[in-house]
Amino acid sequence: QSVLTQPPSVSGAPGQRVTISCTGTSSNIGAGYDVHWYQQLPGTVPKLLIYGQNKRPSGVPDRFSGSKSATSASLAITGLRAEDEADYYCQSYDNNLSGSQVFGGGTKLTVL
Amino acid sequence: EVQLLESGGALVQPGGSLRLSCAASGFMFSTYAMSWVRQAPGKGLEWVSAIGDSGANRYYADSVRGRFTVSRDNSENTLYLQMNSLRVEDTAIYYCAREEGAPVAAFHVWGQGTMVTVFS
Repeated sequence: QSVLTQPPSVSGAPGQRVTISCTGTSSNIGAGYDVHWYQQLPGTVPKLLIYGQNKRPSGVPDRFSGSKSATSASLAITGLRAEDEADYYCQSYDNNLSGSQVFGGGTKLTVL
Repeated sequence: EVQLLESGGALVQPGGSLRLSCAASGFMFSTYAMSWVRQAPGKGLEWVSAIGDSGANRYYADSVRGRFTVSRDNSENTLYLQMNSLRVEDTAIYYCAREEGAPVAAFHVWGQGTMVTVFS
């Protein structure tokens, strides 16, 4: 059971917009801590996709964006492409757990 | 080129020990906090442990506290994870990652991972 809750799967057709939610509590996202997002393509190492709610590392297209409100965060992907099919993870910090970074359980994005 | 290279993964029986290493290159290792993150087969990411840039501050997930010890040698640009009293549920790919930001560390750089298999 992950501290941050993500839907196990989402899907969308090429060109569509999809969102992935990340629900936390008052001890993590709701406490005002940043949320980061990672993309893990099949068989590869996780890659930082969004940090500090909505900043993109160099090379990440602006089709990816993040937002945060109250105790939840969201990753939005517009103009969906086949190569976006991957697992996506949110990450934050929980002040109930000493020094603890916490991940969501991950969401499998399928491009139909 | 910024690079992290893990090593030390192996097959081990429950109760056994392993030491993982993560060799850093291409950046000033001594100025970054570092973490270990693991991923069990077919499962999600789990943060395991972190260490501050000087090595003075160390943090652990509840699942490994008391069994795992994180350390670093800034003169050798190397991060370590000593794993004792290993359990079947510790089976995973172990990644080292470079942190930026606090308290919510963003893992900007990841190694390729090293596989630890604990079998009975």
